[in-house]
Amino acid sequence: SQKIEQNSEALNIQEGKTATLTCNYTNYSPAYLQWYRQDPGRGPVFLLLIRENEKEKRKERLKVTFDTTLKQSLFHITASQPADSATYLCALPKTDSWGKLQFGAGTQVVVTP
Amino acid sequence: AAGVIQSPRHLIKEKRETATLKCYPIPRHDTVYWYQQGPGQDPQFLISFYEKMQSDKGSIPDRFSAQQFSDYHSELNMSSLELGDSALYFCASSLQRNVRVNTEAFFGQGTRLTVV
Repeated sequence: SQKIEQNSEALNIQEGKTATLTCNYTNYSPAYLQWYRQDPGRGPVFLLLIRENEKEKRKERLKVTFDTTLKQSLFHITASQPADSATYLCALPKTDSWGKLQFGAGTQVVVTP
Repeated sequence: AAGVIQSPRHLIKEKRETATLKCYPIPRHDTVYWYQQGPGQDPQFLISFYEKMQSDKGSIPDRFSAQQFSDYHSELNMSSLELGDSALYFCASSLQRNVRVNTEAFFGQGTRLTVV
């Protein structure tokens, strides 16, 4: 079955440092992978999409890598700020069904001043 | 910019009652998704529509049904509510670029359903 794994333990990090999150997947051949941010009680907010033929993508202080051989994506928040504290979810389209996103459980990031 | 609108934001129902959740996608988006998120859980896919036709079905109970109307808004109907149905229900919309790729999904603020 298709699985997405993200670190279940919260990531506590000091302000200014780089936070690195991991998303591993099995039994997928995704055309793309997405990262979302979710704050408590609110809907996920799209951050970045990276396609299968892209190795790396950046947006402001965010960087995503995508290794289809390792079946892994890394999500980096550089120069982290307390406002970056949230849960970060990776999402993949189900192989057998376009558009149907499957989400990982998410990793909570806590940035302390 | 217009976002996905969901209503109501909060809903309290008793067991065995019926609830209807509404979703208004971003204009010109052709795909609507419904997700259920329990406390501390990741969003679970329920059902999706493409151009007003059901395109995929996930872990949606038989007690639930959904449809997309001619104006592209969607409604999730939930009957015989159970305590375990208490959750955040999110609607999202996206644009299908081709068979394998949709653009990013834009989520609404969600409806918090509490069944008592």
